[in-house]
Amino acid sequence: SSELTQDPAVSVALGQTVRITCQGDSLRSYYASWYQQKPGQAPVLVIYGKNNRPSGIPDRFSGSSSGNTASLTITGAQAEDEADYYCNSRDSSGDHLRVFGTGTKVTVL
Amino acid sequence: EVQLVESGGGLVQPGGSLRLSCAASGFTVSSNYMSWVRQAPGKGLEWVSVIYSGGSTYYADSVKGRFTISRDNSKNTLYLQMNSLRAEDTAVYYCARGRIVDYGSGSYAYFDYWGQGTLATVSS
Repeated sequence: SSELTQDPAVSVALGQTVRITCQGDSLRSYYASWYQQKPGQAPVLVIYGKNNRPSGIPDRFSGSSSGNTASLTITGAQAEDEADYYCNSRDSSGDHLRVFGTGTKVTVL
Repeated sequence: EVQLVESGGGLVQPGGSLRLSCAASGFTVSSNYMSWVRQAPGKGLEWVSVIYSGGSTYYADSVKGRFTISRDNSKNTLYLQMNSLRAEDTAVYYCARGRIVDYGSGSYAYFDYWGQGTLATVSS
């Protein structure tokens, strides 16, 4: 199976901007989706497709992509954004297989 | 309102079996792309399996030949039959509804609703 690589941890000051990246060969051809997971809770979709937010997700969350890298940006991070974030995309080893990124722990200082 | 409720987790010995269930409400399981995703304690998310609306099924290499995804349309429920369980299968198992979007030059998928998860522990 293919891999999607994320930085293990990033920190951001309250109200500042943080970008989380996801790298993998499959991202050259397929969009990533992004999930937020807080301790003891199920993942929540925050970004999908080119740059789409589900209903209820604040507009401080945005997505972008370039080459083999997908990015999730939080502009004006809030305390409640502290969580683990995972990207997901198609596995390049099989059309119908999926793969998650390694995950990034975001700490809001 | 869309809801997914998993059940069936528990403690099982290595080599044993478990069947997980995911009861859906607010939408029809058989008309959707449904997946199982797991998370080992303290680890990241791992995609496990998918069933398409047409019935086609696919599996991660780590579970192929041991796990079977299925659904019962009359009960609007998704299942994961797990056989020949190993210690490394210990995880919280989530079911998730997937969406597929076709656009001009391709398609993409994402998971818009998730259950709360059920813990399967494989240990002697």
